[in-house]
Amino acid sequence: IAGITQAPTSQILAAGRRMTLRCTQDMRHNAMYWYRQDLGLGLRLIHYSNTAGTTGKGEVPDGYSVSRANTDDFPLTLASAVPSQTSVYFCASRPGGDTGELFFGEGSRLTVL
Amino acid sequence: GQNIDQPTEMTATEGAIVQINCTYQTSGFNGLFWYQQHAGEAPTFLSYNVLDGLEEKGRFSSFLSRSKGYSYLLLKELQMKDSASYLCAVRDSNYQLIWGAGTKLIIKP
Repeated sequence: IAGITQAPTSQILAAGRRMTLRCTQDMRHNAMYWYRQDLGLGLRLIHYSNTAGTTGKGEVPDGYSVSRANTDDFPLTLASAVPSQTSVYFCASRPGGDTGELFFGEGSRLTVL
Repeated sequence: GQNIDQPTEMTATEGAIVQINCTYQTSGFNGLFWYQQHAGEAPTFLSYNVLDGLEEKGRFSSFLSRSKGYSYLLLKELQMKDSASYLCAVRDSNYQLIWGAGTKLIIKP
């Protein structure tokens, strides 16, 4: 693994089902993020984690939960999916330092019917 | 509220120069970022500005004016592979990134 890996790449899901999007990084970055990207809108932050064991809410956290048991993994769970959660989801991580450059995974395209 | 504005779409010719503008209104300022995103792919980092002025990196340059809440990304010697969306993002006083919707750049031969 090099960088950030997300799974699944794409998923079609029935409304009401539970879904976990996986994110794993091998860069030992402390900070990790989950964004959703919708057409015509900027990336919107769902949840973040500044370090293992801590998480925080972003701009659009409702309907989503995260955990950060260790440095490498940051899964995003949709407890009961709804059609408005149809989106492309990106996981990202950030090394220390002032620039705060984000490294993104390849994205997970989720369709909720 | 916080707001990042950038044009939705721009078209330019291969070999030419294009400037993509970004204006912002945010709660505080701790840096401005430009990312490139090819269709169906993840965003990748291009540049970072925290002080006023021009930062040059090869064919790409980024400019910042904090007093005007304005930045631009300048792409020179355009190549077909530069066809992508360009995302402007500002880090606010809470060190959270606020993202623009992106500018889709179409390069024509």
